[in-house]
Formats: sequence, structure tokens, C-alpha cells
Amino acid sequence: AQSVAQPEDQVNVAEGNPLTVKCTYSVSGNPYLFWYVQYPNRGLQFLLKYITGDNLVKGSYGFEAEFNKSQTSFHLKKPSALVSDSALYFCAVRDMFSGGYNKLIFGAGTRLAVHP
Amino acid sequence: EAGVTQFPSHSVIEKGQTVTLRCDPISGHDNLYWYRRVMGKEIKFLLHFVKESKQDESGMPNNRFLAERTGGTYSTLKVQPAELEDSGVYFCASRSGNTIYFGEGSWLTVV
Repeated sequence: AQSVAQPEDQVNVAEGNPLTVKCTYSVSGNPYLFWYVQYPNRGLQFLLKYITGDNLVKGSYGFEAEFNKSQTSFHLKKPSALVSDSALYFCAVRDMFSGGYNKLIFGAGTRLAVHP
Repeated sequence: EAGVTQFPSHSVIEKGQTVTLRCDPISGHDNLYWYRRVMGKEIKFLLHFVKESKQDESGMPNNRFLAERTGGTYSTLKVQPAELEDSGVYFCASRSGNTIYFGEGSWLTVV
């Protein structure tokens, strides 16, 4: 079955330190991978995506993610965390059986808390 | 360019009542999706429209949920009658290329 796993419910990091939010996936074929962020009481905002090409993808707000096919991972990273990065982060993969219609399968979400 | 807009942003209704959620996709987007996240769980797909046609409604939980997209523009999602387990946030999204853009969500509380 297709799935996305975000193994950490919460990640705590000090402001200015690098952060990593982990994501692994299980789909057949070449995955389309996405990260979204949900700030408190707000909707889902698109951060970045991997479709093909360079394994390191750069996105909004200084975030980047690295696609690793052998480890089936797509971890979200940022070199220097800000308190304003505190939010709920969702990893998603395209349902490979949805064809070109891009139905997404989401992970459970990881809450990132950046402390001053 | 306006994003995906949803109305109402918050709704509190009693069990057994009806609620209708509205979504206006980004202008020109033929593909419109509904997802929901019930308390602390994963965001789950509900259904997908291509223009006015339902492409995939495999995620609709039961026949208390009815989605429409007359004219292929805005969409509505009606819950009738609402149950306690329907509480959560309902996200609408529309697609450009391979990127799906979500709205702010409609937060539904059934009491």
C-alpha cells in the first residue's frame, strides 16, 4: 500500500540551529513528493516539491528538501531555524494510481517548535 | 492572483444539523479537490472534480456527504445530517500543473 511516514510527532530546535523534519514514503515507481506547512489557525501552504531532476529541491522561506531514492526519504531541512518557522509540517506523495490527477497521500504531520 | 478561498472559516453546529461549505478555486483551475483532517489524524482525500465532473469520489466517508460543482467554478460540500465525528478541518484545493494549492480550510465543530 502507498503511504507516507513522518516518524516524529514533534521536533524541537533552538533558534539559529539547523532543523530537519523527516519523511519517508512507500510508493511504486518514481514518486512526486511535496511538503506543506500549516501555521496556527491557517491553511496549508505549499513549500516545495520534487518531481524529477536535482535531488536537492529549494522552496519557500529558506527551506529545502533532499530526495533520496535508495532510502525512500524526502527530509525537509533549513540551515538556520527561526521562531516563526514553528508550525505543523506535512509531507505528501502523489497517489501513483491517480494518474495525472495528483491525488495526494499525506503523512500524519510533524509539529516543529523553534525556541528562542 | 487570489488563492483558493473557503467559506465559512469556522462553523459550530449541533449534531443532526446541516452545514454547507463553499470553495472558490484559483481562477482557471479545472481541478478541484476536497480533503479533510479530523482531530489529529492524517489529512485525507475526499473527492476530486475536473470541471463540473466528479473524477474520483472514493474518499467520501458516507452518503451524508454531498459535493457539487455546478458550472465548473465554485464547489460546495454539504454534510447532512452532521455527526460528532465529522468535526475537523475541511480543505479545498485546486491544481496548476503538478502543484496543488490549498485554501485556509473550513473548521467544523459538531456539538
